[in-house]
Parts: sequence; structure tokens; C-alpha cells
Amino acid sequence: NAGVTQTPKFQVLKTGQSMTLQCAQDMNHNSMYWYRQDPGMGLRLIYYSASEGTTDKGEVPNGYNVSRLNKREFSLRLESAAPSQTSVYFCASSESGATILKANVLTFGAGSRLTVL
Amino acid sequence: GNSVTQMEGPVTLSEEAFLTINCTYTATGYPSLFWYVQYPGEGLQLLLKATKADDKGSNKGFEATYRKETTSFHLEKGSVQVSDSAVYFCALSDPVSTSGTYKYIFGTGTRLKVLA
Repeated sequence: NAGVTQTPKFQVLKTGQSMTLQCAQDMNHNSMYWYRQDPGMGLRLIYYSASEGTTDKGEVPNGYNVSRLNKREFSLRLESAAPSQTSVYFCASSESGATILKANVLTFGAGSRLTVL
Repeated sequence: GNSVTQMEGPVTLSEEAFLTINCTYTATGYPSLFWYVQYPGEGLQLLLKATKADDKGSNKGFEATYRKETTSFHLEKGSVQVSDSAVYFCALSDPVSTSGTYKYIFGTGTRLKVLA
């Protein structure tokens, strides 16, 4: 089925460990996003990528790095995990571009629940 | 900057009750507005959207009207069901002028619980 696939679904880390969350979409979308969801905070944008080869910071980028490997894949890396990064992480994608005059719908993955001890 | 404010939850209703979840926004320009729904253990999925003033988005009995004069996009449903229990997020699109793409700004979410 077409959509956004995230791995892993669950991960437990110790403080200081590193890990990468993987995301892939098969809808030929240009734009991809990483959000984190925390109770009472809604969704906050970590990083986004307008197109292959470009990435930009969102609202809460500190402690994270991203790679837009190709048009399909957008990974999120935690180099040295901290308890404050315990959260549910969502990857999303959207069709976009200069010829699209109105924002299109975001398609979300199922989420990755990360716990940092 | 642009922002979205939605009512605090949780909202608890009996089946067949009328639902309103308030959402107001602050934005420059003319954003598109969205309601997303998140069922337990799942990602968010689009419920409805509106792209310009006075547009009404609707889906599955839910409706919301883009009100520019009051900067609001309130979600309504005439008769809720137990299956509507979920978290509802209001969101707006924020264009990134240099790239032709958009960022999406979300409210904090409102949890709805419908009792049989």
C-alpha cells in the first residue's frame, strides 16, 4: 500500500547512545518532515526537506540531524540521546513545488516511540 | 510567527451529542487550514481541509468553515459516535518562500471521548 513507512516502531536507548530513525515514502512526494509529539505540546517540527538534497531546521532541531538520502528516504539521527528526547516521532510527506499554489495534505507514518533512560 | 490555538481537552460526550472543538489561528497571508485525527496507536490522518476564506471542509459528518474575519476553523459534528473517540488536531500551512514548499503548524490537540 502506498504511504509512509517508519522504522523502528519502538526503541529504548540509554543516555548518550545514538540511533537513526528511518522513513521512506512511495508517493513521489517532494517534501518530507520529521515531527515529535509530546503530551500537551502537540506536534512540533524538528526538520524538513523541501526536495532531494535540501534540509532545513524546524522549531526544535537541537540534538538532531537529518539526511535526505534520495527522494524517497528521509532519516533522523540522534547522535547522543538525552531523556528529553523521549517522545513519539512522526515522519510525514507532502507533494509540493513552485507550481502548487496551495498547501497539500500531509501523509503521516505510524510513528516511532522512543524512550531514553 | 504563525500559530494555532485549540481548546483544551479532554472533551467527554455521550453518543449522539453535538460536538464543537474550537480552533483559532494567527497567520500572515492566506494559509490553508486542516483538521487531522489521530486514533489510538496510529499516526495522524487528514479529516478535512479548507483552502480559502468561507470554504467549508467536510468528511464523515464533520464540518469546519474557514472564517477569516474571526480567524477561526471550528470543528463540528451533529451526532458523535463512540468510534469518533480520538485526538483532533487543527493545523495551518505556512509557506516557505524560498523553496515552494510549506511547513505545517499544529495545535496541541484535543482529546475526544464518546461514551455509549
